[in-house]
Amino acid sequence: DIQMTQSPSSVSASVGDRVTITCRASQSISSYVNWYQQKPGKAPKLLIYSASSLQSGVPSRFSGSGSGTDFTLTISSLQPEDFATYYCQQSYSTPSCTFGQGTELEIK
Amino acid sequence: QLQLQESGPGLVKPSETLSLTCTVSGASISSSTYCWGWIRQPPGQGLEWIGSIFYSESTHYSPSLQSRVTISIDTSKSQFSLKLRSVTAADTAVYYCARHPYSYGAFEFWGQGTLVTVSA
Repeated sequence: DIQMTQSPSSVSASVGDRVTITCRASQSISSYVNWYQQKPGKAPKLLIYSASSLQSGVPSRFSGSGSGTDFTLTISSLQPEDFATYYCQQSYSTPSCTFGQGTELEIK
Repeated sequence: QLQLQESGPGLVKPSETLSLTCTVSGASISSSTYCWGWIRQPPGQGLEWIGSIFYSESTHYSPSLQSRVTISIDTSKSQFSLKLRSVTAADTAVYYCARHPYSYGAFEFWGQGTLVTVSA
């Protein structure tokens, strides 16, 4: 199995801050990484697919980068609605996949 | 607009079989472009992929669950289903159905999720 290690597990930030979340794969997975946002009581929402492609309708303050084993999700200027939990997912052997353990983004 | 809706019992007894159905509307479940998957999330924990199915009935399961899981598809009803056998309290979770393109496994559309509790 390919493992995804996300860091940090939680982060506190203020509105307007730039935040970066990282995910490391246990083996090289090219660009097969996707990022999701989940708010309490809601289904996850796809933000970024294939490491750096912005899903339709997602604000441009969200961006993704990386290839191989190291990947990042960046929020350039935090908005109040961005406080949520974020998950990475590897889909190198799609349809098989695994998720990272999540990063909780809290208001400072 | 594509919609997915999970349905099934919210309470299952230990050792029994958990059965859920996902009804798809707004798009064809027979598309050769997409896979249909199940993902679960125990209370307060992260996401776990359970398995996915293609319209041709080709299935892929999580290695940790494959001995207990069966996913099937009924294209005539635009539904796909999950069966998880011999459940324990550790299987208590919100269960989501979702769709992803076959070429890359990003889940674009999700159902709202349904909580299944395993308890006597």
